[in-house]
Amino acid sequence: QKEVEQDPGPLSVPEGAIVSLNCTYSNSAFQYFMWYRQYSRKGPELLMYTYSSGNKEDGRFTAQVDKSSKYISLFIRDSQPSDSATYLCAMSAVSSASKIIFGSGTRLSIRP
Amino acid sequence: GAVVSQHPSWVICKSGTSVKIECRSLDFQATTMFWYRQFPKQSLMLMATSNEGSKATYEQGVEKDKFLINHASLTLSTLTVTSAHPEDSSFYICSAGDPSTDTQYFGPGTRLTVL
Repeated sequence: QKEVEQDPGPLSVPEGAIVSLNCTYSNSAFQYFMWYRQYSRKGPELLMYTYSSGNKEDGRFTAQVDKSSKYISLFIRDSQPSDSATYLCAMSAVSSASKIIFGSGTRLSIRP
Repeated sequence: GAVVSQHPSWVICKSGTSVKIECRSLDFQATTMFWYRQFPKQSLMLMATSNEGSKATYEQGVEKDKFLINHASLTLSTLTVTSAHPEDSSFYICSAGDPSTDTQYFGPGTRLTVL
């Protein structure tokens, strides 16, 4: 069993839809939870960072962490074609500046 | 946000040659840098953790004699792929941890093609 599980997709939704991306994990030591966005042939870009459980909102993006269920989510409201990318969840037990474990990534496509 | 650069952005080399990739943190000091490898449509696979002034820690299955890592300063780490072969062709990405912001920043990646 992988430490972090993420549905690879692809996921295709119409412009304006709400997108829900999810990851589950098995290591209860994880305390730091990140979402990265990666465009084709580019390095990952940090979108959201959450410590421990709870919600965090930044513009159209909301990150949720449920440590009791070992489940994290990223919601994208009013999705735009420019949101089309691969979204990677990532986690760490020590800090987000230390060794992190990535999910496999979900390829998202927003249809105009 | 903080910037991490990589050079070169792409490189083509002949089988048997060595290739060096540089990773720099441009506006912060990174005590720890990481090297990843990514195959098409796959996630990032951590190859090694590089700490300034000490030997790198390699992940299981990564040949340390083939992938030489040097972290000579707080802003520069290098990955040298020695005696490259076509199966080493991949997208190599570095990242740098900024302890002041507790954030890991990624470089733009280097695409290596070995003929």
